[in-house]
Amino acid sequence: GQSLEQPSEVTAVEGAIVQINCTYQTSGFYGLSWYQQHDGGAPTFLSYNGLDGLEETGRFSSFLSRSDSYGYLLLQELQMKDSASYFCAVRTGTASKLTFGTGTRLQVTL
Amino acid sequence: GAGVSQSPSNKVTEKGKDVELRCDPISGHTALYWYRQSLGQGLEFLIYFQGNSAPDKSGLPSDRFSAERTGGSVSTLTIQRTQQEDSAVYLCASSLRAGYGYTFGSGTRLTVV
Repeated sequence: GQSLEQPSEVTAVEGAIVQINCTYQTSGFYGLSWYQQHDGGAPTFLSYNGLDGLEETGRFSSFLSRSDSYGYLLLQELQMKDSASYFCAVRTGTASKLTFGTGTRLQVTL
Repeated sequence: GAGVSQSPSNKVTEKGKDVELRCDPISGHTALYWYRQSLGQGLEFLIYFQGNSAPDKSGLPSDRFSAERTGGSVSTLTIQRTQQEDSAVYLCASSLRAGYGYTFGSGTRLTVV
């Protein structure tokens, strides 16, 4: 089966940098994705890592180390609107669904 | 359409009744997924469609749950004889390629009373 672990909650100050970690145990691995979900909203796609290394998209970056079964999402210059839940998700086959982690609730404070 | 559309947005039903939830994916997206999310919880996979076939229905929790997709487009998730534990937000997503870059609908909030 698949299991993903991420912290349940993270708090950070506006303007700061925060890193949300995700470790996974899967049978087969084809990529790690990150999704953001505001309260009452639908999850939205943030980033995807299929290979080791860092992917940068504006204030958000995502990192993957396949040898360590580990990835993280890095949010820079935090804004109040970044307060949301963040989910990592793995794809374990060439034509398969995503399996999501339990999510990390990020609270950005003044 | 421009996004994934789900209907109804809210559904309150009595225990024991059947419900149908509809998902209209983005035009051209061949992969379609159903997930459900209980309050404050993660996303629980239900079923995955590629075209009209369902290569993975391993997440359906019981035989009261079924889903179909027609014309490679609209999908319907049916829950028979609803129970209180079925209360959740049911999310549909579609993607061009399986397992990558999902676009989610806004979900159907199902409440079984």
